[in-house]
Amino acid sequence: DTGVSQDPRHKITKRGQNVTFRCDPISEHNRLYWYRQTLGQGPEFLTYFQNEAQLEKSRLLSDRFSAERPKGSFSTLEIQRTEQGDSAMYLCASSPWDRARSGYTFGSGTRLTVV
Amino acid sequence: AQTVTQSQPEMSVQEAETVTLSCTYDTSESDYYLFWYKQPPSRQMILVIRQEAYKQQNATENRFSVNFQKAAKSFSLKISDSQLGDAAMYFCAYRVPNTGTASKLTFGTGTRLQVTL
Repeated sequence: DTGVSQDPRHKITKRGQNVTFRCDPISEHNRLYWYRQTLGQGPEFLTYFQNEAQLEKSRLLSDRFSAERPKGSFSTLEIQRTEQGDSAMYLCASSPWDRARSGYTFGSGTRLTVV
Repeated sequence: AQTVTQSQPEMSVQEAETVTLSCTYDTSESDYYLFWYKQPPSRQMILVIRQEAYKQQNATENRFSVNFQKAAKSFSLKISDSQLGDAAMYFCAYRVPNTGTASKLTFGTGTRLQVTL
């Protein structure tokens, strides 16, 4: 297992277009998280899956954002009608079910630029 | 709501010297976990060290150690014998034990560490 993989690494899109990012977590991790990180800031929580169930969504996740994890393995994050304010690094992380003593394992992120 | 504060946007240290990065947090929980993450430029975030709140002993990982003051809600990171490869953004993070909810990590705004020759 090579860790958490995210694709693509970089995405440039025109305002108004839809984009989709993919995350492949560590195979034995049943928890998957999406975070957004803007320049000079720490990561902010967007949403969380336990297996295929999306159990929590941040209020940062507007109606234009949707995330799925259909078979409890990989996950996708889609942004519809992108806006310039969506430009950020989108981080995916996974963790096992434990007593939260484990930190996350992060992917390298997808950097989105909306022009 | 839990918050994590890192009051030092940037720090600088000479190679082989020691530097301490500060972190404070606010919580009403008594049981939680604290973490320091390192994010090198254009590279993924990696876990440096973790501390369990119910343990009084400060965590240590090689050149990295923490000073955990539970009453003061303070969690500083000490890097000894600094190396050029330590240059990165460092994030302090907080997490509560699994309670059936997300148990998400809450991050501070980060401290950029520069290491000079």
